[in-house]
Amino acid sequence: ETGVTQSPTHLIKTRGQQVTLRCSSQSGHNTVSWYQQALGQGPQFIFQYYREEENGRGNFPPRFSGLQFPNYSSELNVNALELDDSALYLCASSNSGRAHNEQFFGPGTRLTVL
Amino acid sequence: GDSVTQMEGPVTLSEEACLTINCTYTATGYPSLFWYVQYPGEGLQLLLKATKADDKGSNKGFEATYRKETTSFHLEKGSVQVSDSAVYFCALSDRGGAQKLVFGQGTRLTINP
Repeated sequence: ETGVTQSPTHLIKTRGQQVTLRCSSQSGHNTVSWYQQALGQGPQFIFQYYREEENGRGNFPPRFSGLQFPNYSSELNVNALELDDSALYLCASSNSGRAHNEQFFGPGTRLTVL
Repeated sequence: GDSVTQMEGPVTLSEEACLTINCTYTATGYPSLFWYVQYPGEGLQLLLKATKADDKGSNKGFEATYRKETTSFHLEKGSVQVSDSAVYFCALSDRGGAQKLVFGQGTRLTINP
């Protein structure tokens, strides 16, 4: 069983640029959630995708957007990058058909905005 | 909204010491409760969970009991090892909608030999 994978591992961008982060969900999972983890903080929920539709969103501006593909992999796009967007971005997959919806996390993408 | 408050760190203990990391929560309804662990340079791993009041989650010698009356889910271990050094996150998940995870701020644990 393949776990959750994310790419790239690290990324450096400058303020105002755009970035795309990628996530492959664990086999058998149909739901992907994205979280932002600032240094020294707990992860914050960005949004969730289920069957290619957004299924809930946290308190993040519209310049954070996402996609889910038919194979349940997902992308997180961030436009007009700001310095405060520097963080570890975590993807988690789950199977919404299971009780309690346990989420399995990938290793994350470390984004640095200069 | 829902929230989780964890004991502030960092926590430093000697090997074989007893561990307690406090966690309290605020939520409407009846959330599921989790402890996640994050080792250096890695993502989050689920350590244990409890889905209803009085449930006890346990794994790798760690335990936590879902206490509805005190809205708490404290993490305990009787004898810690150097390999337990990591950051520990308490989290809750509501039962409806997206079932997003709401995390505490994390507690960094260091075990000295």
